Amino acid sequence: DTEVTQTPKHLVMGMTNKKSLKCEQHMGHRAMYWYKQKAKKPPELMFVYSYEKLSINESVPSRFSPECPNSSLLNLHLHALQPEDSALYLCASSPADREKAEAFFGQGTRLTVV
Amino acid sequence: AQKITQTQPGMFVQEKEAVTLDCTYDTSDPSYGLFWYKQPSSGEMIFLIYQGSYDQQNATEGRYSLNFQKARKSANLVISASQLGDSAMYFCAMREALHTGTASKLTFGTGTRLQVTL
Repeated sequence: DTEVTQTPKHLVMGMTNKKSLKCEQHMGHRAMYWYKQKAKKPPELMFVYSYEKLSINESVPSRFSPECPNSSLLNLHLHALQPEDSALYLCASSPADREKAEAFFGQGTRLTVV
Repeated sequence: AQKITQTQPGMFVQEKEAVTLDCTYDTSDPSYGLFWYKQPSSGEMIFLIYQGSYDQQNATEGRYSLNFQKARKSANLVISASQLGDSAMYFCAMREALHTGTASKLTFGTGTRLQVTL
């Protein structure tokens, strides 16, 4: 199984809503990532979890709150988002401790904030 | 800090022809990994090929090959015998060496949109 599964695929939320994005993998990878991708731009790293601990936070606003409850799951909790946060949110996983660690990506969640 | 540059915003290639997508990088780390990903309109990032900084030979994976010129800091992707299904966005990415035994980040270039024509 080389899949990274993200739910939901599409999400529309108001600026006062609270929602969560979910990501799951069963490849035994101990590194998991959240990326944000705006239209016609490359993915930008938001967070990295390594062995279920947050290892990189790229100065992401606190309205985005990541969580890694176990080695297979990664969540991104959203609260009080702004319209400019509308984007494709990609989850990825990889082995944590090898240089040749290609990241496997999910299909993403297309988020629209209204 | 690392930097990835893709200077071709868009490329056209005829079906069955070969095409080269350019990528240059800049890093002060002697150990790093270079990756190419394909992103169709569906959004998923699909891993294509990997080249390690210490690899002596250029990487190949089926119709994909990587022209790695370390001294010039370039890692161009060559797609042979292009197919209509190759039409997509292509990203070059780099991972610096792991120093602490924990995951490091994958940084992407701006991408090249490839259009395969009949």
